[in-house]
Amino acid sequence: QKEVEQNSGPLSVPEGAIASLNCTYSDRGSQSFFWYRQYSGKSPELIMSIYSNGDKEDGRFTAQLNKASQYVSLLIRDSQPSDSATYLCAVNMIADSSYKLIFGSGTRLLVRP
Amino acid sequence: GAVVSQHPSRVICKSGTSVKIECRSLDFQATTMFWYRQFPKKSLMLMATSNEGSKATYEQGVEKDKFLINHASLTLSTLTVTSAHPEDSSFYICSAGGGLAGFRAKNIQYFGAGTRLSVL
Repeated sequence: QKEVEQNSGPLSVPEGAIASLNCTYSDRGSQSFFWYRQYSGKSPELIMSIYSNGDKEDGRFTAQLNKASQYVSLLIRDSQPSDSATYLCAVNMIADSSYKLIFGSGTRLLVRP
Repeated sequence: GAVVSQHPSRVICKSGTSVKIECRSLDFQATTMFWYRQFPKKSLMLMATSNEGSKATYEQGVEKDKFLINHASLTLSTLTVTSAHPEDSSFYICSAGGGLAGFRAKNIQYFGAGTRLSVL
């Protein structure tokens, strides 16, 4: 079983719609959760971090965390073509307290003009 | 967010040569730096974790004699790919974390721009 799982997509949404990206993780002890955006040929860029159950909003982005279900999601409101990228979910692993993150394989988002 | 500089952005070299990649945290002291490798359309694969002043911790399956990591200061870590071969061609990305107030506890990592290595 993969430690961090994401649907590879592509997820295709029309411009202006809400894009919903999902991620599940296996380590119940994880406490830090991140969403990174990666454009083709570029390195990941941090978009959101979330540490507590519930929602966290930042502009058009909302991260949602449910530790009981081991589920974290990212909502992108008013999607723009420039949002087209691969979104990586990352979760910390506490087994060896080395602060390393485990990344999902990413969901490719396509926003149609 | 914090700024992490990675250099060079692109390297093309002959098989058998060694290549050094630098990763610098420009506006904070990174107690921990990470080195990743990414193949096309694949996710990030952690190669090693580097703490300032100590030996790097390599992930299972990563050859430490092949990928030499040095983290001599709180702002600089280097990855040297020794005797590179075509199968080492990949996108190498560093990230930096820790040091800045709150970052260590929050596990935040900021990424460099990456280095695309092509071994002929």
